[in-house]
Amino acid sequence: AQRVTQPEKLLSVFKGAPVELKCNYSYSGSPELFWYVQYSRQRLQLLLRHISRESIKGFTADLNKGETSFHLKKPFAQEEDSAMYYCALSGHNFGNEKLTFGTGTRLTIIP
Amino acid sequence: EADIYQTPRYLVIGTGKKITLECSQTMGHDKMYWYQQDPGMELHLIHYSYGVNSTEKGDLSSESTVSRIRTEHFPLTLESARPSHTSQYLCASRKGSGNTIYFGEGSWLTVV
Repeated sequence: AQRVTQPEKLLSVFKGAPVELKCNYSYSGSPELFWYVQYSRQRLQLLLRHISRESIKGFTADLNKGETSFHLKKPFAQEEDSAMYYCALSGHNFGNEKLTFGTGTRLTIIP
Repeated sequence: EADIYQTPRYLVIGTGKKITLECSQTMGHDKMYWYQQDPGMELHLIHYSYGVNSTEKGDLSSESTVSRIRTEHFPLTLESARPSHTSQYLCASRKGSGNTIYFGEGSWLTVV
């Protein structure tokens, strides 16, 4: 069974401080990991995916297969980063391509 | 414009009524999903489909049913709504495997 764990339900960070949102997963095969974000009054949208290895809005996330983690990081938080963040996992094999979400972390940036 | 649409956005209905939540996407995606999310809580996968005439139950047991007669359409039906069905229902779709999943704006259902 695939599972995603986000240990922090709430996280508050001062503007300009570094941000790290934790995500751990369990999956028997080779997973694909995503971070989704939901800003206030907007729909859920993709922030980044591990295979792209890109930085979006200053956020990066590295897949650590040894620690089964996919933590989201940003060196300097901005007020517009306040949102709900979800880590998600998808399998590759046909028949196991459903996307499983973590419980989410509400990030609040303090001005 | 290519997008994923959900209707109704908000609905209040009485207990025992039958309700269908509509979901349509104009992106030519083969895979479609329904998630249930209570306010401030996690998303639970309740149904998914790999293509026409394919439907599967998700991780969370649900009394709802779905159908996939056309590629672009994936409606969710509750035959007899109950207050415990009050929640937000999110529809999503993607093309192939390993590609971005796109979400609709959600349907807020309240059963009184």
